[in-house]
Amino acid sequence: ETGVTQSPTHLIKTRGQQVTLRCSSQSGHNTVSWYQQALGQGPQFIFQYYREEENGRGNFPPRFSGLQFPNYSSELNVNALELDDSALYLCASSLVFGGPSTDTQYFGPGTRLTVL
Amino acid sequence: AQRVTQPEKLLSVFKGAPVELKCNYSYSGSPELFWYVQYSRQRLQLLLRHISRESIKGFTADLNKGETSFHLKKPFAQEEDSAMYYCALSSGGYQKVTFGTGTKLQVIP
Repeated sequence: ETGVTQSPTHLIKTRGQQVTLRCSSQSGHNTVSWYQQALGQGPQFIFQYYREEENGRGNFPPRFSGLQFPNYSSELNVNALELDDSALYLCASSLVFGGPSTDTQYFGPGTRLTVL
Repeated sequence: AQRVTQPEKLLSVFKGAPVELKCNYSYSGSPELFWYVQYSRQRLQLLLRHISRESIKGFTADLNKGETSFHLKKPFAQEEDSAMYYCALSSGGYQKVTFGTGTKLQVIP
C-alpha cells in the first residue's frame, strides 16, 4: 500500500506567478482534501474533491483552484501568487463510501511554497 | 462558524508526569472531534477520534459537550510523546476539518 505523496517538496516563486502542486492519493482512496499551513498555525482547509468534483471549500479566494483526476490524484493551482501564500500545503486522502462523510484522513508530507 | 482553540503553544512536563492538552471548540451542531499528532520529521497523522472512544498510545480524550471541550490526557508521559498535537473538528456532510493552532508537548527526561 502506497502512502500519500506530494510534489514538489519545495518551491520558490515570485509574486504574481502561478503554481501547481500535485498530490497522489493513498491507493484505493477516492477523496482528497487540501490544506494550507502557515508558520506557527494549524492547517486551514482549502477544499475537498470527491470523485473528481469539488465537494466543499474553505475561506480561500477563487485564485485557489483544484482538480481531481480519474485515478484520484489531485492538483492544487494558485494564480496571482501573493506573499501571504507562502506556507506548507498539505493534501490528505481518505476513502469514503456512498458519499461525503468524515473518515480518517491520511496526510502527505507537504509542499513548502515560498513566494518572494 | 466553527472554531478550535488550543490555549497552550507549549506544554513541558517531566517523564512520568500526567499530561493534559487542552482543546475547546465552538460549533452549534454535533461535531466530530479529533486529535492529530506530528512527530519530528514525520507527517501529520490521526491519533484518535471521539467517536471511537479508544485509547491510543495511552492517550484518551473525552468529549464534554457542556464545556465544549475535548482535552487529551495521558496519565504518565513518555519521552516519545514529545510532538506537536493538533485538536480538530469536523462538521457537515463533507470532510472540512478545522484545526487548532497546535500545542507542542515537550517531555523532559
